[in-house]
Amino acid sequence: RKEVEQDPGPFNVPEGATVAFNCTYSNSASQSFFWYRQDCRKEPKLLMSVYSSGNEDGRFTAQLNRASQYISLLIRDSKLSDSATYLCVVSLAGGGSYIPTFGRGTSLIVHP
Amino acid sequence: NAGVMQNPRHLVRRRGQEARLRCSPMKGHSHVYWYRQLPEEGLKFMVYLQKENIIDESGMPKERFSAEFPKEGPSILRIQQVVRGDSAAYFCASSPLLIRDGDQETQYFGPGTRLLVL
Repeated sequence: RKEVEQDPGPFNVPEGATVAFNCTYSNSASQSFFWYRQDCRKEPKLLMSVYSSGNEDGRFTAQLNRASQYISLLIRDSKLSDSATYLCVVSLAGGGSYIPTFGRGTSLIVHP
Repeated sequence: NAGVMQNPRHLVRRRGQEARLRCSPMKGHSHVYWYRQLPEEGLKFMVYLQKENIIDESGMPKERFSAEFPKEGPSILRIQQVVRGDSAAYFCASSPLLIRDGDQETQYFGPGTRLLVL
């Protein structure tokens, strides 16, 4: 089983739609969770951290389910500019080292 | 405040040559990570460095690859005797602190160096 798994998609949705992505992780001791966004041939950029209580930033909502070992990202009212690959990142800290593990990403295409 | 800088942005090498990739972290950041991204793949961690110190190199191939982050100057990822399989995008990220248990410290990525081995 891969450490961090994501459905590669693509998710093809119309503008205004609501779309959700899940990401599962294998190590129950994982401590930090993030969603990054990566545009084609660009560097990843932090979208949001994911906290145990869940958190929201505008149209984006992230949730963490430790019992089932998954995190989710919900995008409401999709915009054309949301088209990108969304990377799930999970990290395990300890021994002075923090090594993030990236999922392969979920591709989102928002069309008019 | 300039972001993470990487150069060159594109690098073409022939098999057997050496590739040197440079990364200057954000101002005030003393920790650097290197990642490799193959086409249609996710980012793979390679190495985590502090100034003059390698903290974790568990993702580095055992041969031909090395990294350093000197007291002065950028971090360097060096690939000796490149092969076609080394063709990839190499991203550097920096953070201000040594990330410890429970911290949600953010990494900031540079634009990457795209290496093509002919």
